[in-house]
Amino acid sequence: EAGVAQSPRYKIIEKRQSVAFWCNPISGHATLYWYQQILGQGPKLLIQFQNNGVVDDSQLPKDRFSAERLKGVDSTLKIQPAKLEDSAVYLCASSQRDRAHEQYFGPGTRLTVT
Amino acid sequence: AQSVTQLDSHVSVSEGTPVLLRCNYSSSYSPSLFWYVQHPNKGLQLLLKYTSAATLVKGINGFEAEFKKSETSFHLTKPSAHMSDAAEYFCVVRMGLFGNEKLTFGTGTRLTIIP
Repeated sequence: EAGVAQSPRYKIIEKRQSVAFWCNPISGHATLYWYQQILGQGPKLLIQFQNNGVVDDSQLPKDRFSAERLKGVDSTLKIQPAKLEDSAVYLCASSQRDRAHEQYFGPGTRLTVT
Repeated sequence: AQSVTQLDSHVSVSEGTPVLLRCNYSSSYSPSLFWYVQHPNKGLQLLLKYTSAATLVKGINGFEAEFKKSETSFHLTKPSAHMSDAAEYFCVVRMGLFGNEKLTFGTGTRLTIIP
């Protein structure tokens, strides 16, 4: 079965610019997650979708980050405007409904903000 | 609130020797705990899980972990390290109510294997 796909794999932007990341989860997985992994730290959940609805976005900096999953399949995470501290790897994961412990992760997008 | 603490940020062992990666948890009730592994340039992968069944849990690639309530620990072990085990390992706790669960990751332990 195909895994979680993410693009781009790498992105370098200047501060105050905008950037978008794309994720396509495993087919049939109702739940989709976006994580931020800063160098030397564990992944931190930014937002969780169940189909096309938001379950948890309590740690999403909503003044600059936004995410959508309009058709309940693929998802886009956007940062506008970017700050230096947004430099991190952005991970997308998916799971079957109510199986949060069995998440399948994509390879991530490494963002560098200069 | 539930949390996990990984006691070592970096562990180095020689190939063929035992591996021990330490994790302590904090929880007001019986937690669900997991270990995930992250190989360079690859996605995170579930290694093993504890969900209140047997306290000794076996995972992939010869790894196992033992849940010890008296010590609030969930250490990851492997009898004999292999070069392919070099990776970042995360201890993880599941939080939240059914239908609104999420994972909280520890800070990670980087495992280096010395040839």
